Amino acid sequence: KAGVTQTPRYLIKTRGQQVTLSCSPISGHRSVSWYQQTPGQGLQFLFEYFSETQRNKGNFPGRFSGRQFSNSRSEMNVSTLELGDSALYLCASSLNTPTDTQYFGPGTRLTVL
Amino acid sequence: AQKVTQAQTEISVVEKEDVTLDCVYETRDTTYYLFWYKQPPSGELVFLIRRNSFDEQNEISGRYSWNFQKSTSSFNFTITASQVVDSAVYFCALSEVGDYKLSFGAGTTVTVRA
Repeated sequence: KAGVTQTPRYLIKTRGQQVTLSCSPISGHRSVSWYQQTPGQGLQFLFEYFSETQRNKGNFPGRFSGRQFSNSRSEMNVSTLELGDSALYLCASSLNTPTDTQYFGPGTRLTVL
Repeated sequence: AQKVTQAQTEISVVEKEDVTLDCVYETRDTTYYLFWYKQPPSGELVFLIRRNSFDEQNEISGRYSWNFQKSTSSFNFTITASQVVDSAVYFCALSEVGDYKLSFGAGTTVTVRA
């Protein structure tokens, strides 16, 4: 079975721009979660989707948004990028809920200049 | 309030030594799940183990073992006979039913020297 895939793997943007990251879950997995990892804040939860519905959202500003499509693929968008948004963005999928084992993708490394 | 605490920031050992990683968690739920993940330098989080709150049986899987004690809210993880390839950051995580997320600890960097 193919694992979780994320595209692109690396991104360089400038302040004020927006960015869209994509995640394809493991086949059959319907729950997709996003996490931000930075050296200062560690791994922080962004949001979780199931059947195109957001079930939980972390403590991030409204510039961070996401969605899930009917095939369980997910995208997250960050608008008006700030320097502090530079991070590794990790996507994870699980069967139905995060209490099931979450399997992570390789991440997207975003650098904001 | 931080739900998962990994007090050890860094551990350095020589190959073949055992390594024990500490994890203390906080929850009011009676049903919850605990996890250990490994993050090698490549960056991808690799799943290691998952336990639910009703199963305190400690097990061994290859060179990995874990000690789950609800009385002390601890979920410690041991690597036996460490190898250089075990060098990575190890994260403990908690998931509560209905919370729809993983709460991670700060991670422990393990360096295994040849």
